[in-house]
Amino acid sequence: QQQVKQSPQSLIVQKGGISIINCAYENTAFDYFPWYQQFPGKGPALLIAIRPDVSEKKEGRFTISFNKSAKQFSLHIMDSQPGDSATYFCAASAYTSGTYKYIFGTGTRLKVLA
Amino acid sequence: GAGVSQSPSNKVTEKGKDVELRCDPISGHTALYWYRQSLGQGLEFLIYFQGNSAPDKSGLPSDRFSAERTGGSVSTLTIQRTQQEDSAVYLCASSLARTYNSPLHFGNGTRLTVT
Repeated sequence: QQQVKQSPQSLIVQKGGISIINCAYENTAFDYFPWYQQFPGKGPALLIAIRPDVSEKKEGRFTISFNKSAKQFSLHIMDSQPGDSATYFCAASAYTSGTYKYIFGTGTRLKVLA
Repeated sequence: GAGVSQSPSNKVTEKGKDVELRCDPISGHTALYWYRQSLGQGLEFLIYFQGNSAPDKSGLPSDRFSAERTGGSVSTLTIQRTQQEDSAVYLCASSLARTYNSPLHFGNGTRLTVT
């Protein structure tokens, strides 16, 4: 119930294309769903996030789509660029024992071809 | 300002030895998290602290792993009698944890190699 399942494991997209990464969760106590971006040798950094009371959030070329009934959410990267090549992690968070516990997906390694 | 600092950045140790990994969180961040990143395994939750207390240690893989946090600041993750399967990148993150959208700020990790 604590798992967050992420797919695909890896993704290759042509420059200008759309990258789509999917995640699913079971625990309905999760109420915050961030995406983190990680470049080699660096720690993950927050990219974009959503709460379950909205179905979509857009920031620039990055969009999260959220389906509460299906317990699924996805990241769409429009007009993908070589600089977007990185590993992307979805996460789910719930408030417990005085703080926010985050469970991460297994990550998607994205490569955008120039 | 300074971000989350982890040391050492790389550690090579022999099987059976003990290691200590250090995390300096962002000043004022009350929540501190440890994760382990293995190839193809994503970010595996180990433990988190709220202040100096660790409400959830459920992610520690075995009793060889322990962690502490002192003064509501620096944290140390200790692995005793290291095994080859402990080889991974150990990531620390901190957060203000005041609201649901207080982001996690990660350090660059300690890459541990057990030979």
